[in-house]
Amino acid sequence: DGGITQSPKYLFRKEGQNVTLSCEQNLNHDAMYWYRQDPGQGLRLIYYSQIVNDFQKGDIAEGYSVSREKKESFPLTVTSAQKNPTAFYLCASSIAATGNTIYFGEGSWLTVV
Amino acid sequence: DQQVKQNSPSLSVQEGRISILNCDYTNSMFDYFLWYKKYPAEGPTFLISISSIKDKNEDGRFTVFLNKSAKHLSLHIVPSQPGDSAVYFCAASAGGSNYKLTFGKGTLLTVNP
Repeated sequence: DGGITQSPKYLFRKEGQNVTLSCEQNLNHDAMYWYRQDPGQGLRLIYYSQIVNDFQKGDIAEGYSVSREKKESFPLTVTSAQKNPTAFYLCASSIAATGNTIYFGEGSWLTVV
Repeated sequence: DQQVKQNSPSLSVQEGRISILNCDYTNSMFDYFLWYKKYPAEGPTFLISISSIKDKNEDGRFTVFLNKSAKHLSLHIVPSQPGDSAVYFCAASAGGSNYKLTFGKGTLLTVNP
């Protein structure tokens, strides 16, 4: 089945630790994105990548890092510098970065304990 | 400053009746609008979109209306079904740039049997 797979679904992190969320897509999409959702809030863009080996900061990139070494993979690292990391994280992709619908993965819950 | 506003946090309708979800925007550069549906702890699912060159787009039970002069769009669901109960997000972009999608905070629709 074609789609976007995020793992893990649920993750607990101790304060001060870095954690990496995985995102894999087999849709052959060029563009990939990471969003964050907080309760009662809309989705906010963390990072996006238009093509392999390229990525750009979104609206709330501080405390996060990404890589795009392969077309199908766009992992997100939540570093200890992120002050409020507890949130629902959504990975998405689209055929290209312009003029196309974005499709989302199932999301990953990160809780800092 | 919130550029995409969904002023109703929640809406409750009876099964079989019409559901009308509203969205207002302030940025006159927005030219592409999308609606997403989201169940708890899942990723958003694309529902329907509309370009600013149109004022209506229909897909089965879902119709989106765009009033550019009022900077207002609405999603109509007819007839409403219990399975439609979810959070609905309105999103907008300018110049076809997916990474510039701006989301509203969402409206929780509850369809009562």
